[in-house]
Amino acid sequence: AQKITQTQPGMFVQEKEAVTLDCTYDTSDQSYGLFWYKQPSSGEMIFLIYQGSYDEQNATEGRYSLNFQKARKSANLVISASQLGDSAMYFCAMRVGIIQGAQKLVFGQGTRLTINP
Amino acid sequence: ETGVTQTPRHLVMGMTNKKSLKCEQHLGHNAMYWYKQSAKKPLELMFVYNFKEQTENNSVPSRFSPECPNSSHLFLHLHTLQPEDSALYLCASSLSGAVSYEQYFGPGTRLTVT
Repeated sequence: AQKITQTQPGMFVQEKEAVTLDCTYDTSDQSYGLFWYKQPSSGEMIFLIYQGSYDEQNATEGRYSLNFQKARKSANLVISASQLGDSAMYFCAMRVGIIQGAQKLVFGQGTRLTINP
Repeated sequence: ETGVTQTPRHLVMGMTNKKSLKCEQHLGHNAMYWYKQSAKKPLELMFVYNFKEQTENNSVPSRFSPECPNSSHLFLHLHTLQPEDSALYLCASSLSGAVSYEQYFGPGTRLTVT
């Protein structure tokens, strides 16, 4: 079954420290994509970063980087120099299909990240 | 208005009511999605539309009825709901065609069924 697992329900980190949020996935497809989203208390899901299964380099976007280990089927999100505004729920998602051009995603349970001053 | 908007933001309805959720995207996207987010459960895909055509119904009960009159608007019509349908309903949109296109989400409608 195609599935995303996030094993950390909650994490507490000091401001300015780096943090790694874990994500493992299960798929038998050769072509897939992995996304990370942030959900603040306002509810809106905000796209952070994308990694394609054939991408050889780890994706980076500003303070966000994705540690993609294909053999281990893991796609951990690394946030460098954390800020108070990073406190939110973080979701890992995997594209499991393309339906006439539209994407079908499955999401993990999420990790609640709290940044302490 | 920019991005993806959803109205209402909060809705309380009885089990015998009929109500509708509205989603509008101002991004020029072709695909639109409805998701359900319940406490303690992963986000669940409900419906997918591409160029106004429904391409996915993820085994959603018939008391949820989607409508997509054009690529910018998406509705979710609700009738005879159950208390377990209480959740955050998120709408999203994306360009269609490329595998890397991310989905853009609205702020959601918090639905409470009494």
